[in-house]
Parts: sequence; structure tokens; C-alpha cells
Amino acid sequence: AQTVTQSQPEMSVQEAETVTLSCTYDTSESDYYLFWYKQPPSRQMILVIRQEAYKQQNATENRFSVNFQKAAKSFSLKISDSQLGDAAMYFCAYRTYFGNEKLTFGTGTRLTIIP
Amino acid sequence: DGGITQSPKYLFRKEGQNVTLSCEQNLNHDAMYWYRQDPGQGLRLIYYSQIVNDFQKGDIAEGYSVSREKKESFPLTVTSAQKNPTAFYLCASSADRAPVDQPQHFGDGTRLSIL
Repeated sequence: AQTVTQSQPEMSVQEAETVTLSCTYDTSESDYYLFWYKQPPSRQMILVIRQEAYKQQNATENRFSVNFQKAAKSFSLKISDSQLGDAAMYFCAYRTYFGNEKLTFGTGTRLTIIP
Repeated sequence: DGGITQSPKYLFRKEGQNVTLSCEQNLNHDAMYWYRQDPGQGLRLIYYSQIVNDFQKGDIAEGYSVSREKKESFPLTVTSAQKNPTAFYLCASSADRAPVDQPQHFGDGTRLSIL
């Protein structure tokens, strides 16, 4: 079974600065997907960024980028130029490449933005 | 607009009572999921269904039951056997072979509390 670990329950960053959220995972599969979800106080789950394991290039979406280290099974999220609207819970998630689409989530990191 | 509707937003249960949480989607998705969210534990999968009239237990199915009589509906019943039901419940759906940029769509959740 796959497991996802987020070792930082809480993080804070000054507005306009950069912050990195950590995620590690355990799997015996070679092909899979990884995701970062954001959950603001409204409790909606919003997909932030995704990474296909077979792609070596790190995914980037505007101010959000990942550092995907497949051998180390590490998938960190970097948020640049942090904004007040980035304050939320951030969840790392794993999905197998084949079969059903169920997601395995980490325990989350609460990100606070300091004005 | 297509989406997932969860109702009610807040629900209270008396000791020994069964309650049912509603989840309806108009996205024509094949698969549907129920997650439970507790502080510090992220999202944990309760049940999922990939086709009508079929469903599988997730990681924490004890004390819960589901049905999938229609493609668009996947209600979750929290039975009296669930001793600690207070939590936030999220419903999600995905298309068959869901595209990686939209792995799952989430509802807005139901908060269940014990009276």
C-alpha cells in the first residue's frame, strides 16, 4: 500500500517571500501521479499542481513549482512571492497510474502568510 | 454548471442514531468517493464506487455504509456502530480514466457533530 507523509504540520512565511512544503511517499510502483491540493478556510479542495512520475521535468504552475525527486520519493511544493490568499491547508496526494483513481493523502501542512 | 452537491452542510446526530449524508454529481462521472477529514489526519478514504451497484471499502469503512443505485448519487450512512463520527466528510467523483489534470472533483463537504 502506498503512504504519503507530510512532516510539517504548520509553516509560516512572510508575504512576498518563498516557502517550501515537504512531502515524501512510499510506493513499489514505477508509474504514478502526485498532486498538491489546497484547502482554504472554505474547505474546498483545489488542485494546485500535478506531476507524472514518468516525467523528469518538474511541474510549474505560475508561482507554484515542485521539486520531484523520484529516487528519493520526495515531492516538495515551492510557493514563490507568497500572497495572503495562499493561506490554507496543503495536502500532498498520490494516485496509481493504472487501475482506479482513488487518491492517498498526506496529513496536510497548514500554511500561514504573515503580512 | 456541473459539479458535486453535498447536503446538508451541517448535520447533528444523536447517540445511537443513523444519519445519511447526500452526495449528487451531474458530471456524468463513473467513480465516486467518500473521505473523512479529521484534524491532523488529512483525508482518509471510507468507501468508493467505480460503477453503479458496486462499491469497495476504503481504509476506514467500519461503521459506515453506502449505496450506488444511480450513477449520479452516492449516499453515505453513518451508523450507530461508528463510535466517533464527528468529522468533516467530503465526497468526490472522477471520470473513468480521469485525466491527470482533474483527478477528482470535490464537493463542499458536510460537517457531522454529535449531540
